[in-house]
Amino acid sequence: SQKIEQNSEALNIQEGKTATLTCNYTNYSPAYLQWYRQDPGRGPVFLLLIRENEKEKRKERLKVTFDTTLKQSLFHITASQPADSATYLCALGTNAGNMLTFGGGTRLMVKP
Amino acid sequence: DGGITQSPKYLFRKEGQNVTLSCEQNLNHDAMYWYRQDPGQGLRLIYYSQIVNDFQKGDIAEGYSVSREKKESFPLTVTSAQKNPTAFYLCASRGLEEYNEQFFGPGTRLTVL
Repeated sequence: SQKIEQNSEALNIQEGKTATLTCNYTNYSPAYLQWYRQDPGRGPVFLLLIRENEKEKRKERLKVTFDTTLKQSLFHITASQPADSATYLCALGTNAGNMLTFGGGTRLMVKP
Repeated sequence: DGGITQSPKYLFRKEGQNVTLSCEQNLNHDAMYWYRQDPGQGLRLIYYSQIVNDFQKGDIAEGYSVSREKKESFPLTVTSAQKNPTAFYLCASRGLEEYNEQFFGPGTRLTVL
């Protein structure tokens, strides 16, 4: 069955360091992958999109990589700040239909 | 302001009652979605709709019903047949162009007493 895995344990890092979050998938051939940020008690907010033919995308302090051979995406936040503390969700999409399949999310805690 | 709204923010229900959660968007999006999120878990798709008067079941549709009479509105009814309805419910919308992201509402937290 299709499976998307994100580290369920919280990631704790020091302010200023780079945070790296992982999204692994099996039995899935996504056409694209999206990353969302979710704060407690609120809806997710879209951050970045990366297509299957793209290796890397950047937006300000954010970087996403997509390795379809390893079936993995990495999400990096450089120069992390306490305000970056949130849960980050990856979501996979295909060319068939307009649905996303979400991973369970990883909670990031950035300590000052 | 353009966006997607959900109401109420918090909802309490007695066992055996049906409740309806509201979702409205003014983004002119064709597609709308309902997700359920349980503590510490990701989003699970309940129902989705890509056009008015048409909708499809998601992964966990049992005990839920929806309607799509207007493009802007996609209400979700949690029926008494849903065995464990206490959860955080999220509504989302998106345009139909390829790769579009989903825009989420603020969510409704439903608690069954």
